[in-house]
Amino acid sequence: GAVVSQHPSWVICKSGTSVKIECRSLDFQATTMFWYRQFPKQSLMLMATSNEGSKATYEQGVEKDKFLINHASLTLSTLTVTSAHPEDSSFYICSARDLTGELFFGEGSRLTVL
Amino acid sequence: DAKTTQPTSMDCAEGRAANLPCNHSTISGNEYVYWYRQIHSQGPQYIIHGLKNNETNEMASLIITEDRKSSTLILPHATLRDTAVYYCIVRVAGGNQGGKLIFGQGTELSVKP
Repeated sequence: GAVVSQHPSWVICKSGTSVKIECRSLDFQATTMFWYRQFPKQSLMLMATSNEGSKATYEQGVEKDKFLINHASLTLSTLTVTSAHPEDSSFYICSARDLTGELFFGEGSRLTVL
Repeated sequence: DAKTTQPTSMDCAEGRAANLPCNHSTISGNEYVYWYRQIHSQGPQYIIHGLKNNETNEMASLIITEDRKSSTLILPHATLRDTAVYYCIVRVAGGNQGGKLIFGQGTELSVKP
């Protein structure tokens, strides 16, 4: 089946630094990718929709200057958490949509901000 | 907001069938019912989806009521590895218009020995 890879799978950083998370579709082209955030004991919350070659669409309440999304190719989207703070510590998950419209999820990236 | 409601948690004995209900009374004609599950600290895993007919695959069966306002996911012989949070989601499917997945709270299924 289709595979979506996230990197890194976990990262620890100091407060105030920026962290980049990559989401790659390994065996299919993905014109659209979605980024989610999940806090402990909670469900996945959609943050933004990433479209190849255009600006991302952010869900209400998500700061676009805080969470920078780049989707420069059909197989790669990146999420950069800028000036990270402890409250940004979370599990970040991406999904990629193939040409038939089906969605495939990555394994997630756990961010811990000290 | 999620358009589905599910029980918060359920228990099931190992080897027995697990029946997970979902209500989606406001589902639109072009929306499919999708089921995903999430094992702790992993990304969601696709299980099955359907429009109006019952569906079966190697993982599970999906029973959708005739009025499409509710559905049931059936794991025929639950194992301990099926312990996970199960999400029922309605979504427009297909091609470039395939909609985003909005997750509700899901059902935490615990399979017990």
